[in-house]
Amino acid sequence: DVKVTQSSRYLVKRTGEKVFLECVQDMDHENMFWYRQDPGLGLRLIYFSYDVKMKEKGDIPEGYSVSREKKERFSLILESASTNQTSMYLCASSFWQGYTLQYFGPGTRLTVT
Amino acid sequence: SQKIEQNSEALNIQEGKTATLTCNYTNYSPAYLQWYRQDPGRGPVFLLLIRENEKEKRKERLKVTFDTTLKQSLFHITASQPADSATYLCALDINAGGTSYGKLTFGQGTILTVHP
Repeated sequence: DVKVTQSSRYLVKRTGEKVFLECVQDMDHENMFWYRQDPGLGLRLIYFSYDVKMKEKGDIPEGYSVSREKKERFSLILESASTNQTSMYLCASSFWQGYTLQYFGPGTRLTVT
Repeated sequence: SQKIEQNSEALNIQEGKTATLTCNYTNYSPAYLQWYRQDPGRGPVFLLLIRENEKEKRKERLKVTFDTTLKQSLFHITASQPADSATYLCALDINAGGTSYGKLTFGQGTILTVHP
């Protein structure tokens, strides 16, 4: 079974702090994604990566950056956390098999105070 | 712009009834459509995929239809149980066959509650 893990289930940070969210997948998938999920807004794509050191902006990249130094690991960085970044953050991975399925991690509930 | 809409934010039904969730999309012709289940505080989990040339797909008590003329998919849960209570998301690969890098576009989800 594909396993996607995220470094924390719950995280509380202060405004202005630099925050790192880590995601690891164990199935050698090429593609990895970071989403945030807010009530009424659904899943919104922040960034994705299709190979090591390759990244593309999603729909809401402002205030975030990412790093993919190894194929299995994709990190989301909040350079200076703000209260409007309080959200559920979900990581996913996928590979092309004639179609694509996404495999999600359990999520990190981030609260910025 | 591309749009996916799940036209019920919440659906409440009695145990044993059939739940029917709707997913509509505009402005593109996807090669396939997927449904995911998400429990509170967890990540979505893939349930079913239906291709454009398939009218219907079944898996145990789940049934998905795909009408490419209406640009609509229906997701049915028959003989529903309280354990089916969750958020259900539809998703499309809007660049299937191209360089989508596995990106999916998700609907906002329908929260299904099955009452005992």
